[in-house]
Amino acid sequence: GAGVSQSPSNKVTEKGKDVELRCDPISGHTALYWYRQSLGQGLEFLIYFQGNSAPDKSGLPSDRFSAERTGGSVSTLTIQRTQQEDSAVYLCASTTGSGGELFFGEGSRLTVL
Amino acid sequence: GENVEQHPSTLSVQEGDSAVIKCTYSDSASNYFPWYKQELGKRPQLIIDIRSNVGEKKDQRIAVTLNKTAKHFSLHITETQPEDSAVYFCAAIGRGATNKLIFGTGTLLAVQP
Repeated sequence: GAGVSQSPSNKVTEKGKDVELRCDPISGHTALYWYRQSLGQGLEFLIYFQGNSAPDKSGLPSDRFSAERTGGSVSTLTIQRTQQEDSAVYLCASTTGSGGELFFGEGSRLTVL
Repeated sequence: GENVEQHPSTLSVQEGDSAVIKCTYSDSASNYFPWYKQELGKRPQLIIDIRSNVGEKKDQRIAVTLNKTAKHFSLHITETQPEDSAVYFCAAIGRGATNKLIFGTGTLLAVQP
């Protein structure tokens, strides 16, 4: 596609349920980020994938969060046993590599009731 | 790891005035400093960036300056217009094991007509 695609755009779930958020990066981009943006807040780093290297998971807030990137392309962010404080917009971004422009998706807005 | 601080958190200026947003970073090995603009309800987009081998870069009404010794960089917007109203994020990328991009906390700029 022409840009970074994320799905779903909106997700409402009940506390304790698991959710999966998907990111389809720009074709050929080797690096992929997940950030979290709470209402009116900044861009909190979650996880970074770069090529075939081991992902940098240092930003994941708890072991309920995990992410994978299959075949160097599509990435899935999974949140298990969701809590109300997980409510936020989850942004995915891809880039050609270190030091390049990040192209963001529209984000997935997660609301945990 | 890299830590980026950004000030002020909010900034209100009159149309036509200048706006300055400042950021500091912690990793002296950081070598790439982009600025992103996020309009309300939209995704962040790159507006200008600077690398550590230059001290200043300008693009029409926006400019970025970098002081490597003091480890700070600034965004300057001249002749502000209402359409400049947005949240601006600075960021820095280190030269550590994973070279990930870390964002500042953001500045909400309001340009009053």
